[in-house]
Amino acid sequence: KNEVEQSPQNLTAQEGEFITINCSYSVGISALHWLQQHPGGGIVSLFMLSSGKKKHGRLIATINIQEKHSSLHITASHPRDSAVYICAELNAGGTSYGKLTFGQGTILTVHP
Amino acid sequence: GAVVSQHPSRVICKSGTSVKIECRSLDFQATTMFWYRQFPKQSLMLMATSNEGSKATYEQGVEKDKFLINHASLTLSTLTVTSAHPEDSSFYICSAVGGVRNEQYFGPGTRLTVT
Repeated sequence: KNEVEQSPQNLTAQEGEFITINCSYSVGISALHWLQQHPGGGIVSLFMLSSGKKKHGRLIATINIQEKHSSLHITASHPRDSAVYICAELNAGGTSYGKLTFGQGTILTVHP
Repeated sequence: GAVVSQHPSRVICKSGTSVKIECRSLDFQATTMFWYRQFPKQSLMLMATSNEGSKATYEQGVEKDKFLINHASLTLSTLTVTSAHPEDSSFYICSAVGGVRNEQYFGPGTRLTVT
């Protein structure tokens, strides 16, 4: 069983809608990454957070350590936001420093 | 800043040949680099952890003699797929840990097709 679970797996939205993608993990972590992968395959790291909330432009990421849950929000969504969004937990212990465990990804499609 | 490059971006090779993929951290030093593989419609799978100056650590099920990793400098790691077979066709992505915030930065990926 994957230690990192995302929902939904597929998400379709109309331009302008507010979008939320959820991520749950089963063990204590050092930090959590939110990644974006476009159809061409390249991966961009959106956020790395270990507590609270981070905001960058229209993107907001929150994490609740006690509940082992994180969310990625996109405000005023746009077709160019269409991509796969992946959450990944960071293992910071010992020789596994930097090792990520990935969720299965959420495929987001924003229609104009 | 914190850019990671991969070369080549795409490669097609014949079955039985070897292919080398380079991963470079362009503006920072990376003591640790990771190699991932991604099959269509699947998430990334960690293949190995590459540490500069030492042997790579491979994940369970990844053949170290087939996927040779060399991390010769603080800015370069290479993955060589030896005796490639069609089932090795995949998207290979590297990442490097470093930079001002010591975060993990991903390369753009290399699409390997073995015919």
